[in-house]
Order: sequence, then C-alpha cells, then structure tokens
Amino acid sequence: NAGVMQNPRHLVRRRGQEARLRCSPMKGHSHVYWYRQLPEEGLKFMVYLQKENIIDESGMPKERFSAEFPKEGPSILRIQQVVRGDSAAYFCASSSGQGQGQPQHFGDGTRLSIL
Amino acid sequence: AQKVTQAQTEISVVEKEDVTLDCVYETRDTTYYLFWYKQPPSGELVFLIRRNSFDEQNEISGRYSWNFQKSTSSFNFTITASQVVDSAVYFCALSETWGTDKLIFGTGTRLQVFP
Repeated sequence: NAGVMQNPRHLVRRRGQEARLRCSPMKGHSHVYWYRQLPEEGLKFMVYLQKENIIDESGMPKERFSAEFPKEGPSILRIQQVVRGDSAAYFCASSSGQGQGQPQHFGDGTRLSIL
Repeated sequence: AQKVTQAQTEISVVEKEDVTLDCVYETRDTTYYLFWYKQPPSGELVFLIRRNSFDEQNEISGRYSWNFQKSTSSFNFTITASQVVDSAVYFCALSETWGTDKLIFGTGTRLQVFP
C-alpha cells in the first residue's frame, strides 16, 4: 500500500500523558500536513512540514503541541500533557509539491481519546 | 481571509434521487484551487476532485458532476441517481496558490441515502 500511513489508528491516553502520532507520507511525497477534526466539525489545519523543516505552524496551539519531519522516518505530531479537549481525529496528508494546488492525499487518521 | 461555507448540514434522499451539495467560498486571491473530499462512515478522507480558478468548465465523472461558477464564488457538487454507498460527509476545501497549499475546509455536508 503506497498511500499515506498513519498509526496508531486509535490512541487512548489519560489526562497528563503524552500522545505521539505518526505519519508516513506517500512514496515520492516530501510535503506533510497535519489537520485536526473535532467531533462533528470540519478539518482545521495545524502544521505544514517539509523534510527537517516546519514551513507553517500557524494552526498549532502555542503550548503542548509540536511536530517534526526528520530526514529519516515518519512525521511525528506530539501532544504533551494531554487534556480532554485534545480528543479528536488527527489526519495527516501528503503532497508532491507546494504552490501548485497539488491534491493532498490523506491517511486514515488517528482517533485520540483522552480519559 | 479565506472561508468556505457549506450551508447544508445534512441532506437525506432516497436512492436514485439526484442531490446537489452547495459550496460557497471567499478569497482575495485571484488564483486558487478548490477541492471536494468524501468522508465515508469508516472515517478516511477520499480525494474527489481539484479545480483551479482559471478553469470554469463543468466536469462530469460517472454519476458525479461539478459546477464551478466564479461569478457567484460557488463550486457545487451533484450526484446523479444516488446510491446507498454515497452516504458520507462531503467536504469542500480551498487553497491559495501562492501560499503553503494548506486547505481551508467547510464544515461538511452529511449525505444520507436511504434504500
């Protein structure tokens, strides 16, 4: 399967724990986007990364959230000290270029539940 | 500021009926891209179509058709002879050409097709 791979599919954490969400882009794609979907809402942009660089993090909460896309390995979205309000579906998307309106192809998402 | 409005929260139809999902957008950019994505009950996001702002030709793909009208800032999606498998949440999205390609999503329209 050469699509966008996200894991885990479901993640349960207790308040105060850390959550790590992983995303491997489609083969040949070097642009990764993270979006958050709160229950019964549309998707909201969080961050855009290229290899080893954060290009746009205008949608990221200022505290507790961070993202990386290392030279080797998947992109990671990290949420520290999770709270109930972090419960959501987190989607990763990848594309092959920037500024060309390239379609973003999405993974199946990670459903994060905070107890 | 960019904005996408999907005024129809939920639509219910009976199989074989035609249904049109509305999408209205706002942008100050003269060049931009519009997208439709489908989110079936299983939760993944499926890319359906991309349209750039210079191409106002309508497009038909099987039972799906899209009507892009720049004069009214609308990009509507019609399903002809709907089927139960079309039941999903449909999202319209906008991206600017000269930015980071981040997608601005509408809040989605939930389509229920009953047998």
